[in-house]
Amino acid sequence: GESVGLHLPTLSVQEGDNSIINCAYSNSASDYFIWYKQESGKGPQFIIDIRSNMDKRQGQRVTVLLNKTVKHLSLQIAATQPGDSAVYFCASDSGGYQKVTFGTGTKLQVIP
Amino acid sequence: DARVTQTPRHKVTEMGQEVTMRCQPILGHNTVFWYRQTMMQGLELLAYFRNRAPLDDSGMPKDRFSAEMPDATLATLKIQPSEPRDSAVYFCASGLVQFALNTEAFFGQGTRLTVV
Repeated sequence: GESVGLHLPTLSVQEGDNSIINCAYSNSASDYFIWYKQESGKGPQFIIDIRSNMDKRQGQRVTVLLNKTVKHLSLQIAATQPGDSAVYFCASDSGGYQKVTFGTGTKLQVIP
Repeated sequence: DARVTQTPRHKVTEMGQEVTMRCQPILGHNTVFWYRQTMMQGLELLAYFRNRAPLDDSGMPKDRFSAEMPDATLATLKIQPSEPRDSAVYFCASGLVQFALNTEAFFGQGTRLTVV
């Protein structure tokens, strides 16, 4: 029979455009945040992290923004490429891997 | 190239059988996690270890699941007896926590378990 699964929000972006993926977290004690990328058939792959004493961190083509006031995290990908197509998860933790909690994920589709 | 290694990559078993999944964490990492990923529940933390000691296994069904670290190079997740609802992809991840500061966790490729 038909299986019902998580409805992953999907973001479709034209190749070369910038992508913004958002994530809300609920635990105000969270002090470490991570973005992971998961391609089909593979394990999650670390992209970038940020600690709660920062509000912005940049990597290669990626930027993470943290707004602790509204408990919101975003991942910005510059000049999105077909290889960026994947499911993106945010994860949060409250110090020393006490309890790493993953969000449900956002599927990014890059249109060539 | 340091990586987390999981075996087997795929496992098909009959309901009621014992299943053992193995994980070799990255050398030097002191924290090991087991996650389960399904379409219904997404990524769930089952258990994790620090310096081989279990810190939290509240996400794991205790009656049939068990997780151990016989030594620093091996983590195991066992299901006995297995049930069809255990079908999922099981991921192991390892990381390093020092002075209460965590760093990125590296994931293995996963074990895709199908219980028929």
